[in-house]
Amino acid sequence: DTEVTQTPKHLVMGMTNKKSLKCEQHMGHRAMYWYKQKAKKPPELMFVYSYEKLSINESVPSRFSPECPNSSLLNLHLHALQPEDSALYLCASSQPRDRVHNEQFFGPGTRLTVL
Amino acid sequence: GENVEQHPSTLSVQEGDSAVIKCTYSDSASNYFPWYKQELGKRPQLIIDIRSNVGEKKDQRIAVTLNKTAKHFSLHITETQPEDSAVYFCAAPGGKAAGNKLTFGGGTRVLVKP
Repeated sequence: DTEVTQTPKHLVMGMTNKKSLKCEQHMGHRAMYWYKQKAKKPPELMFVYSYEKLSINESVPSRFSPECPNSSLLNLHLHALQPEDSALYLCASSQPRDRVHNEQFFGPGTRLTVL
Repeated sequence: GENVEQHPSTLSVQEGDSAVIKCTYSDSASNYFPWYKQELGKRPQLIIDIRSNVGEKKDQRIAVTLNKTAKHFSLHITETQPEDSAVYFCAAPGGKAAGNKLTFGGGTRVLVKP
């Protein structure tokens, strides 16, 4: 299985809602990533987990809360978002850099709209 | 941290012609340079990558060249086809202190006209 899966594909939420994005991979990768992508822009790194520990937080507002329950799963918990948080949220996985720096495999993304 | 510049931002070519996209990076410790293709509404997908111990790599109609001295790398697509129309992103990791982070260029929107 060489795929990263994400659910849901689309999400519409109000500014007071709490929701979660989910990501899963079964490639044995030990690094997992959350990116935010706005239209016509490159993916913007939010968080990196390496060996299930948070290794990079790119100064993301606390209304985004990542969680890595095990080596195959990655969640992004959302609370009190703003309309400007509307974007495509991409999950990716790879082998960690302490091995060979390998390809990041991206999931299909969750299209988030905040009303 | 690493800084990656990508040019041009848009590129329009006639079907069958070649397309070249160029990227420069700032951190001389970067050792891995992937290129991603993102079609409209789809995920970024790796199309080719190169490591710093190699100067050129080719896979059918696509090739990447790396100049470590000048800190730039380029994507070459030959005999372009309409299905090559997409946004292409280059990336570089920076040094070990950057951990698993990849810094992306701003993207090039390629349009292949039939």
